[in-house]
Amino acid sequence: NAGVTQTPKFRVLKTGQSMTLLCAQDMNHEYMYWYRQDPGMGLRLIHYSVGEGTTAKGEVPDGYNVSRLKKQNFLLGLESAAPSQTSVYFCASSSILHSPLHFGNGTRLTVT
Amino acid sequence: SQKIEQNSEALNIQEGKTATLTCNYTNYSPAYLQWYRQDPGRGPVFLLLIRENEKEKRKERLKVTFDTTLKQSLFHITASQPADSATYLCALDMRGSQGNLIFGKGTKLSVKP
Repeated sequence: NAGVTQTPKFRVLKTGQSMTLLCAQDMNHEYMYWYRQDPGMGLRLIHYSVGEGTTAKGEVPDGYNVSRLKKQNFLLGLESAAPSQTSVYFCASSSILHSPLHFGNGTRLTVT
Repeated sequence: SQKIEQNSEALNIQEGKTATLTCNYTNYSPAYLQWYRQDPGRGPVFLLLIRENEKEKRKERLKVTFDTTLKQSLFHITASQPADSATYLCALDMRGSQGNLIFGKGTKLSVKP
């Protein structure tokens, strides 16, 4: 039972490079989320999706784009990475509106 | 905007004692409040959910209280063990009204043998 799987686990980018983080869940959950976690800042929501084909902005969406073409996958893209995007990125999913979140184990991204 | 505070960045206690972690918030009371545990290098793991009309919720050695008058939730671990050492996150579930699950910065609990 895999739950929420994030790839890659680690990545180092140079400023201006692009990349896509992949999140896959096998629980048939409707809702999916992308958070970033920085020291002293806690978890902050980047983008989220309430169903296949839908996305919405969270608290800190600038510099990121997302897509949810399939229910089980939620992709987070960085078009032109900046050092301020150095962070640990977590994907999460939930079944219905107020149900608990299931998190992946994160992607540690460093932008130099 | 909604603010959430977990009073201690770190809490050190002796094995066998009860750990009490505090979560305070401003403005609106959420319909739901959740607690998560996070170990180093891992994603948060859900522990307990409490609704605004529930005063207390228990699960094994864990207990959560929710006081909408004080705008506070307390998280207790009784008979604490070194394996309980982790960071504990409080989250206000504002989904459906403010659109988001708002997380506190967490309290790092260390249980010494």
